[in-house]
Amino acid sequence: SAVISQKPSRDICQRGTSLTIQCQVDSQVTMMFWYRQQPGQSLTLIATANQGSEATYESGFVIDKFPISRPNLTFSTLTVSNMSPEDSSIYLCSVITPSGRANEQFFGPGTRLTVL
Amino acid sequence: DAKTTQPPSMDCAEGRAANLPCNHSTISGNEYVYWYRQIHSQGPQYIIHGLKNNETNEMASLIITEDRKSSTLILPHATLRDTAVYYCIVRVSGTYKYIFGTGTRLKVLA
Repeated sequence: SAVISQKPSRDICQRGTSLTIQCQVDSQVTMMFWYRQQPGQSLTLIATANQGSEATYESGFVIDKFPISRPNLTFSTLTVSNMSPEDSSIYLCSVITPSGRANEQFFGPGTRLTVL
Repeated sequence: DAKTTQPPSMDCAEGRAANLPCNHSTISGNEYVYWYRQIHSQGPQYIIHGLKNNETNEMASLIITEDRKSSTLILPHATLRDTAVYYCIVRVSGTYKYIFGTGTRLKVLA
């Protein structure tokens, strides 16, 4: 298994500002994912962040809006840029560990973002 | 990409079996079905997964139809702590990407 922490756990931000969310894992992992969960909705994959390569973004998500860093095998950040109220969501990171069950993803607790 | 459809909500009496259905009619032959649950304010938690055969673990059983177009998650003896949103997920063939369904909000009643 993997223990994942995210910072901040929640934040309230003003329109037009940016917020960087951190994801820390207690073991080295190759694959990390960032998801968005809008209020009352399911999870939508934003991007895959693998160490040593550029993040791969899903349709509807772009690097200018959601830049991602992956400096090492235990850490990643997601920035939500130039925020608007529509960006109010829970943002979650997840990982696949080498010893996990058939590509099971372990999820962090999420960062609850409210944009005013 | 395969998509899943689930009923939005279900109730189950405590101690009874909870049967949660999922349709994935466009699933391709090598795509796995995963089930996760999300308890309020937490990240999703793995329950079980399968490809073709029925699977059972300490948490649940997964029944996949022979044509693989649908599956059912069974919680054999639901408790109040099983109240959560349950997601049926297809892992995209050749990748590690999950496509989440809309989820079923299960409420276990005392």
